[in-house]
Amino acid sequence: GAVVSQHPSWVICKSGTSVKIECRSLDFQATTMFWYRQFPKQSLMLMATSNEGSKATYEQGVEKDKFLINHASLTLSTLTVTSAHPEDSSFYICSARGPGTSGGGEQYFGPGTRLTVT
Amino acid sequence: QKEVEQNSGPLSVPEGAIASLNCTYSDRGSQSFFWYRQYSGKSPELIMFIYSNGDKEDGRFTAQLNKASQYVSLLIRDSQPSDSATYLCAVRRLRGRRALTFGSGTRLQVQP
Repeated sequence: GAVVSQHPSWVICKSGTSVKIECRSLDFQATTMFWYRQFPKQSLMLMATSNEGSKATYEQGVEKDKFLINHASLTLSTLTVTSAHPEDSSFYICSARGPGTSGGGEQYFGPGTRLTVT
Repeated sequence: QKEVEQNSGPLSVPEGAIASLNCTYSDRGSQSFFWYRQYSGKSPELIMFIYSNGDKEDGRFTAQLNKASQYVSLLIRDSQPSDSATYLCAVRRLRGRRALTFGSGTRLQVQP
């Protein structure tokens, strides 16, 4: 259980275009999903917290108009990188809080999307 | 001071040995503590979590938590070459931000 998928797994796009990344919880409902970005040899940096049916909460320094997040259902959140630039090239990973009653708040990660902007 | 600190490593241990990975955190309001393993080019996978002081064992893995010292560790017994990866420590607050805060990770190398 607690499987999270992402699509696409990798994408190459030209500077100035937009890219949409989907994150799905396959076998559980996730009221909260998280979007992270990871640059080479660095740790995960939280970009935003996505809540179903409401606006996402962005971390300081993350442009909400550039990184559009939509959490339309309990199993799907999308991240759209608008007007992408080479510096947006990174590994984007979503996660969702798992089901169960452990109370630990553990998160399960999708496989990630590697974005390359040329 | 970083919220979650880890030694970047690499930590090199021979196959069959015990690998000890350490993590300190600065926020005393932290409630839950997690260890993730991340292979190069892949996303993190949850190994285990702990939220009470003491030890928690799961197979070859033991997590240790000392809230007074703000210290959490992961022991890997009988280390295997397949354990070679970056291990990320993450903490979650009791109140406020619900997302996990990650350390920068410790790279573990298990030598055959």
